[in-house]
Amino acid sequence: SAVISQKPSRDICQRGTSLTIQCQVDSQVTMMFWYRQQPGQSLTLIATANQGSEATYESGFVIDKFPISRPNLTFSTLTVSNMSPEDSSIYLCSIGQGLNYGYTFGSGTRLTVV
Amino acid sequence: GIQVEQSPPDLILQEGANSTLRCNFSDSVNNLQWFHQNPWGQLINLFYIPSGTKQNGRLSATTVATERYSLLYISSSQTTDSGVYFCAVINNNDMRFGAGTRLTVKP
Repeated sequence: SAVISQKPSRDICQRGTSLTIQCQVDSQVTMMFWYRQQPGQSLTLIATANQGSEATYESGFVIDKFPISRPNLTFSTLTVSNMSPEDSSIYLCSIGQGLNYGYTFGSGTRLTVV
Repeated sequence: GIQVEQSPPDLILQEGANSTLRCNFSDSVNNLQWFHQNPWGQLINLFYIPSGTKQNGRLSATTVATERYSLLYISSSQTTDSGVYFCAVINNNDMRFGAGTRLTVKP
């Protein structure tokens, strides 16, 4: 199955700043997603990253706060904008590889906002 | 949307014990996966199991799609099995996670 490289693995950021998280896949994939995991919680889908078009956001998530880019079928970025301590979470990218392989996740970015 | 319920929420075992984790879901799904999240936050795919039974070493999983549940069995548990186990269901490319079972294996 495809290998995902996600970076940074962790960061501590000042409130009001922005952080961009990168996700690189070693093969072309159609489906790419971004998830948030708040402390002690399960994973929540932020958006589906669409190649060549705007991302599709889930209820409660907006483009101004979480802009996403997907310039090609192997790469995507998620930016967490104007951060507050409530944005402290693990952010994970995920790819779907079809019905026989399921979904694979990157190693995650542990973000702390101070 | 589909509801995914996992039980128990927390489980403490002595090393060497066996355990069963359960995942119930509220509607038909295309697929189901079990993940283990280690203490560093990384999600490891354990099983991709829309139906039937699969085994991988000390772990096995069974999904009964018609009855909308899946079970994850851990035998002869080890301290390295500690972490959170998530069940996720997939329907039309939409993946939804349960709340997870936090497993602690004591030496």
